[in-house]
Amino acid sequence: QKEVEQDPGPLSVPEGAIVSLNCTYSNSAFQYFMWYRQYSRKGPELLMYTYSSGNKEDGRFTAQVDKSSKYISLFIRDSQPSDSATYLCATTLLSGNTPLVFGKGTRLSVIA
Amino acid sequence: EAGVTQFPSHSVIEKGQTVTLRCDPISGHDNLYWYRRVMGKEIKFLLHFVKESKQDESGMPNNRFLAERTGGTYSTLKVQPAELEDSGVYFCASSPQTGGAFFGQGTRLTVV
Repeated sequence: QKEVEQDPGPLSVPEGAIVSLNCTYSNSAFQYFMWYRQYSRKGPELLMYTYSSGNKEDGRFTAQVDKSSKYISLFIRDSQPSDSATYLCATTLLSGNTPLVFGKGTRLSVIA
Repeated sequence: EAGVTQFPSHSVIEKGQTVTLRCDPISGHDNLYWYRRVMGKEIKFLLHFVKESKQDESGMPNNRFLAERTGGTYSTLKVQPAELEDSGVYFCASSPQTGGAFFGQGTRLTVV
């Protein structure tokens, strides 16, 4: 069983749609959760970083963590063509200063 | 503020040759990581430096890989001799003590 499972997609949505991206993880010791966005031929860009269960909002992005079911989500409201990218979930044991464990990434296309 | 910088962006070498990848982290970040993404797989951790010391090298695939971090500043990752399975994208990331890793654009290594 992989430590972090993420559906690779691809996922295609119309502009303005609400996007839901999800990951599950197997190790209950994971404490910190991140979402990265990666454009083609670029490095991963940190979008959201959260520790506790619950929701964290930043503009059109909401990260949700449910530690009881080991489930993490990223919601994108009012999606834009510029949101088209690969979204990677990642988790780690302690603070950000321990190695990240990544999902495979979900490729998202937002169609104008 | 300059981000994490990696050189070269792309390298094509023959099997058996040596390649050295370089990473310049964000100034002031003590933590430096190397990751690798092999085609079709998730990004995987290779090793972690805290300043000039190797904190964790559990992800290094074998002794053909050698990483150094001179004076706690830039880092190099040498592959010698390169094998076909070493092809992939090598990412460097750095983080401050508070966490949240920032990635470079990656070096795409192709071994032929």
